[in-house]
Amino acid sequence: GENVEQHPSTLSVQEGDSAVIKCTYSDSASNYFPWYKQELGKGPQLIIDIRSNVGEKKDQRIAVTLNKTAKHFSLHITETQPEDSAVYFCAASINYKYIFGTGTRLKVLA
Amino acid sequence: NAGVTQTPKFQVLKTGQSMTLQCAQDMNHEYMSWYRQDPGMGLRLIHYSVGAGITDQGEVPNGYNVSRSTTEDFPLRLLSAAPSQTSVYFCASGPRRENTIYFGEGSWLTVV
Repeated sequence: GENVEQHPSTLSVQEGDSAVIKCTYSDSASNYFPWYKQELGKGPQLIIDIRSNVGEKKDQRIAVTLNKTAKHFSLHITETQPEDSAVYFCAASINYKYIFGTGTRLKVLA
Repeated sequence: NAGVTQTPKFQVLKTGQSMTLQCAQDMNHEYMSWYRQDPGMGLRLIHYSVGAGITDQGEVPNGYNVSRSTTEDFPLRLLSAAPSQTSVYFCASGPRRENTIYFGEGSWLTVV
């Protein structure tokens, strides 16, 4: 079946460094790629998304890149801060059919 | 504007009991869905609805029922709870044609 692979499963970075999380999807029909941040005890919060007609999107310290040919997309967080510590999920979607990755636990060390 | 509201936040059930998890949204979203989240398995879709009166199955529908009598509400019913249904349940909603969904804060369910 369709799936989304997400790597790494855990990531520790020093405060101020950059963090990169990568996802690969299998359904070539997917046209929408959101990223969610989930803090402990909370619901996933949409932080950035990209659609298939765009290769890159940036919002302050967060950016997402998409390579449709390779079926890869990545989340980039620059100048990480302790409040960036959370679990991040990627997803690939078409017509509200979402396939989620298994999550990356990001720890930002002060 | 409360967004997506889920109740209860925490619930403990005995095997065989039934219960309903409530979900309400005040954003006039056509699309609503229920996911369960289990360690190491990400989020899996249980049921979804694209509008009042319309529901459909997701990836893991067995043991759950839904209905959508109004745009605002999308309750999830557990018919006869089993320990395998111990999980965190998230309701999500989204506007039509945008393919974007927003999650509630979750309902923690333990079946003993």
